[in-house]
Amino acid sequence: DAGITQSPRHKVTETGTPVTLRCHQTENHRYMYWYRQDPGHGLRLIHYSYGVKDTDKGEVSDGYSVSRSKTEDFLLTLESATSSQTSVYFCAITWDLSYNEQFFGPGTRLTVL
Amino acid sequence: DAKTTQPTSMDCAEGRAANLPCNHSTISGNEYVYWYRQIHSQGPQYIIHGLKNNETNEMASLIITEDRKSSTLILPHATLRDTAVYYCIVKGDYKLSFGAGTTVTVRA
Repeated sequence: DAGITQSPRHKVTETGTPVTLRCHQTENHRYMYWYRQDPGHGLRLIHYSYGVKDTDKGEVSDGYSVSRSKTEDFLLTLESATSSQTSVYFCAITWDLSYNEQFFGPGTRLTVL
Repeated sequence: DAKTTQPTSMDCAEGRAANLPCNHSTISGNEYVYWYRQIHSQGPQYIIHGLKNNETNEMASLIITEDRKSSTLILPHATLRDTAVYYCIVKGDYKLSFGAGTTVTVRA
């Protein structure tokens, strides 16, 4: 399995609080992604990164920001969590954008009350 | 990205081959077909991908029709651990677009 971890694995928070999820990889892959998964929607891309300090928006980026200060870490921040952001969040990595054989982390289950 | 159409669900007997169809009639010439699966509550797992030739690896075989408008993922000897949601994805750019997939239940 690819060396990719996510923390925390579970989190319960209240509406309006900031939340940061961390994705950590030991594979030195250039590309990293954040997806969310909700019933009836499958996985949807939030943000992705194509290198240190290089990020771009996905299809559901509103309310989220990301940062990548080093190759191995990709942080997802909910500036002010809302109940609609209750979801399971998956991080993924890949070494080559042209192939898209992405390796996924175990996921973070976030509940916003 | 080209859209894909998969059956909602299917059952398979343990030890038998599971054949999962996928239609992608609007696929472009340079778009690959990818298959992933997701076992309950885990992250998606890459299975196989192909462009126009049939492909086989240790997990599965991928058969793509000559016109590339459809494909079939074959799990040669399904086990209970193959119970999962299987996603057929046509990659057009930097991201994977996951649909609803096919829920495959392998029964003893």
